[in-house]
Amino acid sequence: DTGVSQDPRHKITKRGQNVTFRCDPISEHNRLYWYRQTLGQGPEFLTYFQNEAQLEKSRLLSDRFSAERPKGSFSTLEIQRTEQGDSAMYLCAGRSPANYGYTFGSGTRLTVV
Amino acid sequence: AQRVTQPEKLLSVFKGAPVELKCNYSYSGSPELFWYVQYSRQRLQLLLRHISRESIKGFTADLNKGETSFHLKKPFAQEEDSAMYYCALSVYNTDKLIFGTGTRLQVFP
Repeated sequence: DTGVSQDPRHKITKRGQNVTFRCDPISEHNRLYWYRQTLGQGPEFLTYFQNEAQLEKSRLLSDRFSAERPKGSFSTLEIQRTEQGDSAMYLCAGRSPANYGYTFGSGTRLTVV
Repeated sequence: AQRVTQPEKLLSVFKGAPVELKCNYSYSGSPELFWYVQYSRQRLQLLLRHISRESIKGFTADLNKGETSFHLKKPFAQEEDSAMYYCALSVYNTDKLIFGTGTRLQVFP
């Protein structure tokens, strides 16, 4: 695994605005995961894809959150009508069938003001 | 309930001292456990997993099902071991990870 890219690295937005994050795994990553991490906590699972199918969503993922992985390649996570409580680091991770561990991206840090 | 507990937020030791970072889990099935590490300004990366029973950078971890623990150990800490360490439990069939809250290890010279 050579890497997972996330864009942007940082995002500052006003409350009520919509934001979209992108994750680019490598081609071998058939599974793609989104996590959220707040200060002093470990990453918390949000959702995951196997290829293009979204197979599970956490209760943390309210109706304002939506994720896609068209064609089983890159993935996007959109947050509508952002709230201050959405401020966190959003992590993406890929996993290939041949590898037990995840490969994490550097994350997107969202600040809602 | 599926849960991972890391009771120590911070562990400070001097170089050369032994290190043990504690991790306890709660899981109804057969657990698959990992340790992830995050060095300053770097991304989370896999340190080791219990299935492989390998030693990485001198760290080892043994799964104790009786005590539901997966403590991370190193006999002689190095300054470059200073980092944030997360214990994680993999949920069967989905491979989603449940993380503990992490322990910051500080190794002083």
